[in-house]
Amino acid sequence: NAGVTQTPKFQVLKTGQSMTLQCAQDMNHEYMSWYRQDPGMGLRLIHYSVGAGITDQGEVPNGYNVSRSTTEDFPLRLLSAAPSQTSVYFCASRSTDTQYFGPGTRLTVL
Amino acid sequence: GENVEQHPSTLSVQEGDSAVIKCTYSDSASNYFPWYKQELGKRPQLIIDIRSNVGEKKDQRIAVTLNKTAKHFSLHITETQPEDSAVYFCAAQGDTGRRALTFGSGTRLQVQP
Repeated sequence: NAGVTQTPKFQVLKTGQSMTLQCAQDMNHEYMSWYRQDPGMGLRLIHYSVGAGITDQGEVPNGYNVSRSTTEDFPLRLLSAAPSQTSVYFCASRSTDTQYFGPGTRLTVL
Repeated sequence: GENVEQHPSTLSVQEGDSAVIKCTYSDSASNYFPWYKQELGKRPQLIIDIRSNVGEKKDQRIAVTLNKTAKHFSLHITETQPEDSAVYFCAAQGDTGRRALTFGSGTRLQVQP
C-alpha cells in the first residue's frame, strides 16, 4: 500500500512551458485534491474531485487544469507556466475524514 | 467560503513547557477540524482532529478544544520535546458538499532544549 504518490519530486520549467504533475493513490478514495504551498500562506486548494469524471475549482484554479478518468489518478496540468506558479504542490486523497498528502512536487518556473 | 486564521505565526518554548496554537473560522456550518504537523521538506501529517459535536479530544501529549459559539479551536501540546519542532497547520471543512479543507497559514513551533 503506497498511499499517495507524486511525480516528479522536482521540476524546473521556463516561462510558457506546459507540464503535468502526476498523482496516484491506491486507497480507493473517492475524494482527491491539489494544493499549492507558498511561504507564509499555508496550503491553498487548486482543484478537487469527488469521484471519477467529477472535478471542480478550488481557491486558486487559474492556470491549472485537472481531469479524473480513474479513481486512482488525478493529474494536474500547467497550461503555460508563469513564475507565480513557483511553489510546492501537494496532492491529497481522503476517506471519510482523514486526508493523506503525497510527498509533494517542488516546481520552479524561471 | 470558509476563512481560517491561525495565531501565532511563530512560537518558541522551552523543552517541557506547554504550547498553544489558536485558530478561528468563519463558516458556522464547518463540522470537521484537523491539525497537521509538517516537518521541514516533508508532507503534512495529521496529528489530531475533532468533529463539531465534540468539545475536546486528547491523544497523549496533544489535545484539541473546540468552541463552536466563538468559532475557534486550539491545539495544546504539553511537555514539549525537541522533536515537536515543526510547522503546525489547522484546517476547517467549511462546505459539506465540497468537503474541501481550508487551512490556516501555519505556526512554526520551536522547542528549545
